[in-house]
Amino acid sequence: KQEVTQIPAALSVPEGENLVLNCSFTDSAIYNLQWFRQDPGKGLTSLLLIQSSQREQTSGRLNASLDKSSGRSTLYIAASQPGDSATYLCAVSSMDSSYKLIFGSGTRLLVRP
Amino acid sequence: KAGVTQTPRYLIKTRGQQVTLSCSPISGHRSVSWYQQTPGQGLQFLFEYFSETQRNKGNFPGRFSGRQFSNSRSEMNVSTLELGDSALYLCASSLKGQTGYGYTFGSGTRLTVV
Repeated sequence: KQEVTQIPAALSVPEGENLVLNCSFTDSAIYNLQWFRQDPGKGLTSLLLIQSSQREQTSGRLNASLDKSSGRSTLYIAASQPGDSATYLCAVSSMDSSYKLIFGSGTRLLVRP
Repeated sequence: KAGVTQTPRYLIKTRGQQVTLSCSPISGHRSVSWYQQTPGQGLQFLFEYFSETQRNKGNFPGRFSGRQFSNSRSEMNVSTLELGDSALYLCASSLKGQTGYGYTFGSGTRLTVV
């Protein structure tokens, strides 16, 4: 059964720092992995989608990598800003979990001015 | 292009009542999924529909049901509401669901059961 873990659960950094959020999954048989951002009380905003055949995806200051064989993904945020403060969730579309996403519990990020 | 639209945004219901939530997917998307988010349990999968057929269902009691219409719009219904049903209910749409297509989520419906 696929399980997704995110470390750390919470992170507080000063503005301008580069930071890395981690996501690990137990079964490497995935279709893809998706990173989302969630602001308090709001829905999920998709940040990056990495297919199982890809190693990384980039969008602006965000870069996500995928190492399927080791069951890991990282989300790199460059030059963090207070507006980046949110909860970041990773989710896998797993071959043993038909038509549903398996989510990690998220990393709550606070970027201090 | 319009995103995923969920209505209503907020609901307050009394224990024992029933509720219906609505989700309109992105135009052209045929897969609609529903998730429940609570502080204690995180995001939990409820069910997924594709072309009016339920393809997968999560581990929720039979009080939770859903359907999808021919225009891909979906509704979920919760009968005999319990206090523990208070949660943010999120809908996600996908072109086909899984196999390479990402999911786009709506803003959610916040349900409070009193």
